[in-house]
Amino acid sequence: AQSVTQPDIHITVSEGASLELRCNYSYGATPYLFWYVQSPGQGLQLLLKYFSGDTLVQGIKGFEAEFKRSQSSFNLRKPSVHWSDAAEYFCAVAPSGGYQKVTFGIGTKLQVIP
Amino acid sequence: GAVVSQHPSWVICKSGTSVKIECRSLDFQATTMFWYRQFPKQSLMLMATSNEGSKATYEQGVEKDKFLINHASLTLSTLTVTSAHPEDSSFYICSARDPRDLAQYFGPGTRLTVL
Repeated sequence: AQSVTQPDIHITVSEGASLELRCNYSYGATPYLFWYVQSPGQGLQLLLKYFSGDTLVQGIKGFEAEFKRSQSSFNLRKPSVHWSDAAEYFCAVAPSGGYQKVTFGIGTKLQVIP
Repeated sequence: GAVVSQHPSWVICKSGTSVKIECRSLDFQATTMFWYRQFPKQSLMLMATSNEGSKATYEQGVEKDKFLINHASLTLSTLTVTSAHPEDSSFYICSARDPRDLAQYFGPGTRLTVL
């Protein structure tokens, strides 16, 4: 069965600083990988996804993520954080192709300080 | 990106009543939709997978007679919480898989409070 680990429950960064949110997955083959963001009381918004090809994926809002097969990781990065980026971030994994049952990580709450 | 709506955004009901939540894909047709439940400060828990024109597939531990799912069209799935009790109070989120890119797009969620 697939699983996702987000080792950081809570991260605080200063506005303008760089950000990296960690995500490790467990799956027998190359999965589909996703990052979602959730603001308080809201649904989830897709930031970016990886299916195949270039391992560096560009998403919305200036985010990017890099798939590293050797490390089973899919870390999310942003070079300069804005106060509006404060939210909960979820990494997710699904089997490649066909029926997609997405498994979510526990989430990382990002706090941005002035 | 694809847009998914949910209605209502919040609902308060009395114990013992039933509540219906709608999930719509607004700009694409979704053969598969998903229903999740999210507890405070926790991740999403998949409740069931809704397939258009067939019975929903429920995750282990989810009571299918309590959480009725209907996927009557390619743009609409409904979740009915029957005989709701306070422990059913939660944040319910639906998602729809866009066949154009295979990603799941989420609705804004429904906050259910059972008194």
